[in-house]
Amino acid sequence: EAGVAQSPRYKIIEKRQSVAFWCNPISGHATLYWYQQILGQGPKLLIQFQNNGVVDDSQLPKDRFSAERLKGVDSTLKIQPAKLEDSAVYLCASSFMVGTEAFFGQGTRLTVV
Amino acid sequence: QKEVEQNSGPLSVPEGAIASLNCTYSDRGSQSFFWYRQYSGKSPELIMSIYSNGDKEDGRFTAQLNKASQYVSLLIRDSQPSDSATYLCAVLGGGNQFYFGTGTSLTVIP
Repeated sequence: EAGVAQSPRYKIIEKRQSVAFWCNPISGHATLYWYQQILGQGPKLLIQFQNNGVVDDSQLPKDRFSAERLKGVDSTLKIQPAKLEDSAVYLCASSFMVGTEAFFGQGTRLTVV
Repeated sequence: QKEVEQNSGPLSVPEGAIASLNCTYSDRGSQSFFWYRQYSGKSPELIMSIYSNGDKEDGRFTAQLNKASQYVSLLIRDSQPSDSATYLCAVLGGGNQFYFGTGTSLTVIP
């Protein structure tokens, strides 16, 4: 069974530029999560989808971050414009349904300079 | 903001000892609880899930849940150097949000 796929693996951008991350969840998984993990901290939930609906986006900085999950499968997370403090690893995870085990992709390491 | 708290450590144990990792959570409506292991530079990987009060054992790992005390723990028996990692507690809150703690760093000394 294929795992959660994320791309790109690494990205370096200048502040004020825009960037987008892509995630393809495990086939059949209805729930998809985006997390931000700053070095030395636990993953912080940015947004959680159930199929193509949003369950929670209370910690998503909506003035600069956006996310979508069209057709309830793939998802993209966008940052525009990026700030230095956005430097982090962005993790995508999926689970079969809410309440079941979540599995993570390899993450995208973003560096904003 | 629902909170999941862990002692950040670092926790050091000798090889062969029992490592005990603890987690408390604030949302009384939480129903599902998970432990993840994260090696440096890698993504979190699932170790165990626990849904009801009591103990759940899987090999060298035992998860313990006490919903009344809002407390989850992970015991690692016969600790090995390969167990050295950060251990993350995750909780599914009453509103179905999936939150993580800050993690406990474990070092197993040969």
